[in-house]
Amino acid sequence: QSVLTQPPSVSGAPGQRVTISCTGSTSNIGAGYDVHWYQQLPGTAPKLLIYGDTNRPSGVPDRFSGSKSGTSASLAITGLQAEDEADYYCQSYDKSLSGSYVFGTGTKVTVL
Amino acid sequence: EVQLLESGGGLVQPGGSLRLSCAASGFDFSNHVMSWVRQAPGKGLQWVSAINSVGTASYAGSVEGRFTISRDNSKNTLFLQMNSLRVEDTALYYCVKEFCSSSSCYGDFWGQGTLVTVSS
Repeated sequence: QSVLTQPPSVSGAPGQRVTISCTGSTSNIGAGYDVHWYQQLPGTAPKLLIYGDTNRPSGVPDRFSGSKSGTSASLAITGLQAEDEADYYCQSYDKSLSGSYVFGTGTKVTVL
Repeated sequence: EVQLLESGGGLVQPGGSLRLSCAASGFDFSNHVMSWVRQAPGKGLQWVSAINSVGTASYAGSVEGRFTISRDNSKNTLFLQMNSLRVEDTALYYCVKEFCSSSSCYGDFWGQGTLVTVSS
């Protein structure tokens, strides 16, 4: 059972803006640990989308942005495109768990 | 070009063992933290284990005592020895190259995965 909670699904029309929340606690996001985001297209391996709360790796469009406040983080997709239809996962560090890396529950983004 | 090629997956009975391998190339393997992440069919990602460049390992609670991560820096290969396998260990196992800063680590490159099925 993940300690980072995401909505199971979000949807939007092409061109719209959608946001995905990642809710944690004072032992992970609220403790100031970095949040990272991954995109998993159907049938493929996850791909790094955002690192260190707000940073985009080279090649990731600036339509994707990350933010963090308190015990939560968010991923925003502006100008939604058909190719953005995928599963998205947040990740952080949790000081209360064995091993300590944790992923969010995952969110399916559907482009209407 | 970074490449991570997993192997060793397959069908095993509950209580059995498997050893996964991940052959790495295209980067300085010996100086990177490496990890294993799994994904059960139709489910989300679950971190399994990680190992730093000098062999210090960490594990998720669900696998601690049953799985052992190791690496051979001379052969650029990462391993995961899985013992006492359970049905709930059935998943696609990804090998992940980590980038670590002073504040955190994240998976900047993922292999395509190797499927482990535990069933009688």
